[in-house]
Amino acid sequence: GDSVTQMEGPVTLSEEAFLTINCTYTATGYPSLFWYVQYPGEGLQLLLKATKADDKGSNKGFEATYRKETTSFHLEKGSVQVSDSAVYFCALATIQGAQKLVFGQGTRLTINP
Amino acid sequence: ETGVTQTPRHLVMGMTNKKSLKCEQHLGHNAMYWYKQSAKKPLELMFVYNFKEQTENNSVPSRFSPECPNSSHLFLHLHTLQPEDSALYLCASSPQGGGFTDTQYFGPGTRLTVL
Repeated sequence: GDSVTQMEGPVTLSEEAFLTINCTYTATGYPSLFWYVQYPGEGLQLLLKATKADDKGSNKGFEATYRKETTSFHLEKGSVQVSDSAVYFCALATIQGAQKLVFGQGTRLTINP
Repeated sequence: ETGVTQTPRHLVMGMTNKKSLKCEQHLGHNAMYWYKQSAKKPLELMFVYNFKEQTENNSVPSRFSPECPNSSHLFLHLHTLQPEDSALYLCASSPQGGGFTDTQYFGPGTRLTVL
């Protein structure tokens, strides 16, 4: 079945450090890929998405590129801030299960000043 | 800022109680979802409604009973729950059914504790 694997957390970085959170997937067909973020005490918010191979999603300084050859969608940011502390979820949706978002287990990110 | 609201935000109930969770979306969407978020587990899709009709039940035990009276409101009725049902229950909505590129918009969740 479809699945998403994210790097284990928690991840702790200093402010202005470079961030990478790895995400790989297994899916039939060509899924859409998403990164959601969950700030403390809140629900999930869409951070960015990509719907076809080689697309790059970007938002708030975060980027992720849909790599079909490596089945990956790694999240990156060049300089993190304390306000980026949150839990990040990678997810996919396939046309076969159109409304079924399959989530990774989440990666908790803490940024220290 | 969110167009999806959930009440209550916190709920403590005994195993013999009956309670309901409420979700309301103000985005004009036609699809609504219930998810369960447990510690150290990926989010689990429970139910999907499209245009008020249930289109997905992800093998959820019958002690969870969803209701969707219109496209803006979604309820989750709870009865005779177990302690392992303690979790954060998230509601979401999306513009239309069947779109695998659609973005789902989430509410803040109800933190449920079953004693």
